[in-house]
Amino acid sequence: QKEVEQDPGPLSVPEGAIVSLNCTYSNSAFQYFMWYRQYSRKGPELLMYTYSSGNKEDGRFTAQVDKSSKYISLFIRDSQPSDSATYLCAPTPLGRGSTLGRLYFGRGTQLTVWP
Amino acid sequence: NAGVTQTPKFRVLKTGQSMTLLCAQDMNHEYMYWYRQDPGMGLRLIHYSVGEGTTAKGEVPDGYNVSRLKKQNFLLGLESAAPSQTSVYFCASSPGQRLGNTIYFGEGSWLTVV
Repeated sequence: QKEVEQDPGPLSVPEGAIVSLNCTYSNSAFQYFMWYRQYSRKGPELLMYTYSSGNKEDGRFTAQVDKSSKYISLFIRDSQPSDSATYLCAPTPLGRGSTLGRLYFGRGTQLTVWP
Repeated sequence: NAGVTQTPKFRVLKTGQSMTLLCAQDMNHEYMYWYRQDPGMGLRLIHYSVGEGTTAKGEVPDGYNVSRLKKQNFLLGLESAAPSQTSVYFCASSPGQRLGNTIYFGEGSWLTVV
């Protein structure tokens, strides 16, 4: 079993829709949860991160973590064509001997928002 | 504001040839990484470095070597390229191991081995 599972999609939604992107993970050591956005032929860029269970909101984006079920979600409200990209979840352990660069990426979900 | 710069951006190699990918960062970051990205596989860590003069193996290190002689540079070498190494390679850097530190990625290097 991969440490991080993410449905690759593709996911296609109309402009204005609410988008839900999800990942599951198996490693209980993961304590820090990041979402990266990757536009076509570009490098990933950090979108959001959260440390604790619960919700974290940033504009139209909400990251949700449920550590008890090892489930990570990213919600996009009022989606725009400019949100069309691949979204990668990336949990990581923290603590002695770990490195924040040792990200365990999901495969990424390709999202298209059409006008 | 260069950030993380990778060269070359595109390269075609013949099987058995060698080459080096160069990563340079101008943010004085301690940590640097090389990832490869393949369809259906996501991003996988090849090697990483937690400081000048140090390197460590990641998830898929076989067939690659790295060096970190200067803090700002991280080189990825392919000694004898194989078609299985056809991929997109991303370099990344981060300030270190603190909560909230951002990992910055380069634009990618597209490598085809024929």
